[in-house]
Parts: sequence; structure tokens; C-alpha cells
Amino acid sequence: EDKVVQSPLSLVVHEGDTVTLNCSYEVTNFRSLLWYKQEKKAPTFLFMLTSSGIEKKSGRLSSILDKKELFSILNITATQTGDSAVYLCAVVKGGSEKLVFGKGTKLTVNP
Amino acid sequence: DVKVTQSSRYLVKRTGEKVFLECVQDMDHENMFWYRQDPGLGLRLIYFSYDVKMKEKGDIPEGYSVSREKKERFSLILESASTNQTSMYLCASSLALNIQYFGAGTRLSVL
Repeated sequence: EDKVVQSPLSLVVHEGDTVTLNCSYEVTNFRSLLWYKQEKKAPTFLFMLTSSGIEKKSGRLSSILDKKELFSILNITATQTGDSAVYLCAVVKGGSEKLVFGKGTKLTVNP
Repeated sequence: DVKVTQSSRYLVKRTGEKVFLECVQDMDHENMFWYRQDPGLGLRLIYFSYDVKMKEKGDIPEGYSVSREKKERFSLILESASTNQTSMYLCASSLALNIQYFGAGTRLSVL
């Protein structure tokens, strides 16, 4: 059975801290991995990762994929209260339009 | 800019009522999806559609049906609402690249 596991489930940090969110997967016919940020409403797309070892970066957020060890990490440096959200990891299977989602990591950044 | 619009943000219905949740996208995407999101369970796929009048069951289709008469519109139907269908419902759309774009969600309460 396909599985995407995110850790930790929740995390509380102070502004300015650096955080690392983890996503491991066991999915047949892996094609790519997506990260989303969900605040009060719609998940918004952050990154798509297809190749191992190539870092994707957007401002203070970055992400990398390891296809050998079957995991990805999402790093957030110099966190701000606006980073408080649930971060979702999802895997795209080859030959399918469906995503397999993890349960998410709830990040709370306190001032 | 990408836009997926769900017709209602909040909905309260009675047990046994027929419920329609509407979703419209303006990006000419072939694929559209309906998910429900529950605490501790993450996002679960109910149905998806890869073309007009085409649909496929997701992981939890029981108690739901869908309709896609036009490319831009995908409706989720609860034939006879039950209390265990109280949830957040999210619609998404995508092109073949598999980045799914989400609507703001409909929080449905069935009393």
C-alpha cells in the first residue's frame, strides 16, 4: 500500500528559528514529490521535486529530494509568524493523476 | 493567476438532504478532484475527473457522486447527507504536470 509519512506531526518554534520538516514515502512508480502550505484555507503550492539532490529554493524556504533513501525535507530559515501553517507533502505516481498525501506537519511560530 | 472557486465557504445541512458542492476553475485544466480533509486523517480523495463526463473513484467514494458536464465545472453530490459527512471539502484542478491547485474549501456541517 502506498504511504507518505510526515514528521513531526506538530512543531512549535520561536521567530528566527530554523526548522526542518520531513517527508518519507513508500510509493510504487514514484514520479515526483510536491510540498504545499495550508493556512486557514486552500493548500498553496510551494515546490515540485523530481530529481535527487537538486535543491529548490524560494526565499527562506528550500527543499531537497533523496530518491535513494525515499525522503524529502523542507527547510525554513529565520522563521516568521506568517510561516505558521500546516505543511503538506504529496507524491505523484507515474501513470496516474492522483496524489498520495501525508497527514501534514502543523508548524506554529511564536513571536 | 490560477483560480479555483468553490461556491460556498460554509454550509449547514440536515441529515437526509441532497447536497451539491460546486467547483469552477478558469485555467482550462483537464483534471479536477474532490477531497475531504479531517483532523488526523489528512486529505482523502473522493472522486476525480480527467475529462468532461469522465470520472473515477478515489479512495473514499461511498456516499458521494460527481458530475462534470463542462470542462470548467466539477460538482460533488451527497445524495443523502449523513452526520459522518461533516468535513472540510476541497476541490482541486491540474494539467498533466500534476501540480494541483486548490480552492478555498467548503466546511460542511450535517446536523
